Amino acid sequence: DAKTTQPPSMDCAEGRAANLPCNHSTISGNEYVYWYRQIHSQGPQYIIHGLKNNETNEMASLIITEDRKSSTLILPHATLRDTAVYYCIVRVGRNQGGKLIFGQGTELSVKP
Amino acid sequence: EADIYQTPRYLVIGTGKKITLECSQTMGHDKMYWYQQDPGMELHLIHYSYGVNSTEKGDLSSESTVSRIRTEHFPLTLESARPSHTSQYLCASSESTAIAEAFFGQGTRLTVV
Repeated sequence: DAKTTQPPSMDCAEGRAANLPCNHSTISGNEYVYWYRQIHSQGPQYIIHGLKNNETNEMASLIITEDRKSSTLILPHATLRDTAVYYCIVRVGRNQGGKLIFGQGTELSVKP
Repeated sequence: EADIYQTPRYLVIGTGKKITLECSQTMGHDKMYWYQQDPGMELHLIHYSYGVNSTEKGDLSSESTVSRIRTEHFPLTLESARPSHTSQYLCASSESTAIAEAFFGQGTRLTVV
């Protein structure tokens, strides 16, 4: 069963912030939200993850709503190299070993 | 930089051949995974392992088999390759904790002719 819903594609102007939304309305209390990206069918690359609080690292920021039913990944200053498919994943629960189950993702195109 | 390696990167092979795709990691990770991805499509988990001598089937049924005799090594084998096996195969590993991030290899692009 799909646990996350993302728009299939988005465009962003170079230098602007890219805001990628994700709905996960059936998320459980102990499940984390993860974001990965995949460039040109290379191996996916980890970006960030969070549980309840907003998170920030050198790549991106993750904003999770208070009810945890949705989140937004923010790339503050998108570059052409950020063009990729971005996957929002709800990490399957601890009892199932934390498997990563990928959905369709959002294809982000950063344009000059 | 992730230390997980897949060989070969590209493989073209005839129908009926036996093939083994190699995956090795030097991070001492207990968990390892194999995903299959067709062009333009999502990744599907086909096998995973929580440690030596532990292997499980993933969410997508696959005719391939895996083994985990050593922590660092998680090879995938197809006994008799068919054109329907043409795809990209991605290997990943992570630490034991349920929330640990996974590191992916560069993938093996398999074409069966």
